[in-house]
Amino acid sequence: AQKVTQAQTEISVVEKEDVTLDCVYETRDTTYYLFWYKQPPSGELVFLIRRNSFDEQNEISGRYSWNFQKSTSSFNFTITASQVVDSAVYFCALSDPYGGSQGNLIFGKGTKLSVKP
Amino acid sequence: NAGVTQTPKFQVLKTGQSMTLQCAQDMNHNSMYWYRQDPGMGLRLIYYSASEGTTDKGEVPNGYNVSRLNKREFSLRLESAAPSQTSVYFCASSDPGQDLDQPQHFGDGTRLSIL
Repeated sequence: AQKVTQAQTEISVVEKEDVTLDCVYETRDTTYYLFWYKQPPSGELVFLIRRNSFDEQNEISGRYSWNFQKSTSSFNFTITASQVVDSAVYFCALSDPYGGSQGNLIFGKGTKLSVKP
Repeated sequence: NAGVTQTPKFQVLKTGQSMTLQCAQDMNHNSMYWYRQDPGMGLRLIYYSASEGTTDKGEVPNGYNVSRLNKREFSLRLESAAPSQTSVYFCASSDPGQDLDQPQHFGDGTRLSIL
């Protein structure tokens, strides 16, 4: 069975601190995709990144970076120099494009990040 | 550039009432999905449609029905609403047949309260 675990329910940091959001996944498939979404207080889901199972290169986008390690089945997300606007719920998700649900996303329960000024 | 449009955005129902949530996408995607989001639970798949004319159950289908009216539209119906169906409902679309790692595009959600 596929599963995504975000063990951190809530994290609170002070502005300019670095913060890492953990994501651990389970799948038997060799081909899969991993995603991060952001849900700000306004409620919409904002796509941040996708990574396929064959690409373990870390990625950096501005203050955001992602560390994908197949050996530990983890896809962690780091925000450097956090800002108040980063306050949101962050979801990690797993997709099995060859599975019966045709690319359905399996979500973790989310990590609520609060960045205080 | 509308993307995925959900209506209504908010709704309050009484127990036992019926309602249909509407979803439409203008990206010519084949696959469409309905999720519900509950506090502390993340998003869970209710139903999905891999192509026009097909629908399949997801993780939490009980109490819901869906219709894939055409390629653009995918509706979710609550025949007899129950308080346990109070949730935020998200519709999404994607085209995994063309681009397997294409992210799902989400609507803004429907906040449904059942009293």
